[in-house]
Amino acid sequence: EVQLVQSGGEVKRPGESLTISCKAVGFSFTNYWIGWLRQMPGEGLEWMGIIYPDDSDTRYRPSFEGRVTISADKSSNTAYLHWTSLKASDTGMYFCARRHHSGAFVVIWGQGTLVTVSS
Amino acid sequence: EIVMTQSPATLSVSPGERATLSCRASQSISTNLAWYQHKPGQAPRLLIYGVSTRAAGIPARFSGSASGTEFTLTITSLQSEDFALYYCQQYNDWGTFGQGTKVEMK
Repeated sequence: EVQLVQSGGEVKRPGESLTISCKAVGFSFTNYWIGWLRQMPGEGLEWMGIIYPDDSDTRYRPSFEGRVTISADKSSNTAYLHWTSLKASDTGMYFCARRHHSGAFVVIWGQGTLVTVSS
Repeated sequence: EIVMTQSPATLSVSPGERATLSCRASQSISTNLAWYQHKPGQAPRLLIYGVSTRAAGIPARFSGSASGTEFTLTITSLQSEDFALYYCQQYNDWGTFGQGTKVEMK
């Protein structure tokens, strides 16, 4: 079965670092753009950035540039989303996704990872 | 930024009835419009892209249409498994999502 399996929910304090993961199952990980979307409480979904695992070409939505880092490990078919210093405003649900080759819509979604940042 | 406005926020429908969900774009998006279904605790699912192309495995009771910047998702003969949250998304550039329509049992 083709799926993206995300790591479990996290509770962190402001200023802490965090990495969440997304493992691709059932398809060729290196041949697709894989990305992350954020859904803040009561807000809509938005793309944060994408990576092409074959060559690690990474692109960020301007509003997320410098705030997070997206990476991928071809050997384990896993993509990552990393924060160096969390803020309370990073609280939300994060989805990994496989982007269609012709446009920024999602063909395959992960189940979501809830990140809670609170002091 | 293009704003996507979905209506209604909640739609109460009886099983077997038709559900009509609307999504309006604040400016032209051509045919770059997708619909998703999301059930609690599950991964969202792509239903429709390119306004009216059903994704793989999506039943024919789901259909999409457009008139200018107004887009419609129609679910004919609603099944029990169709009660869920539905999002539209325009995918020009990075894209934007609507706030969602919850389809609940009447």
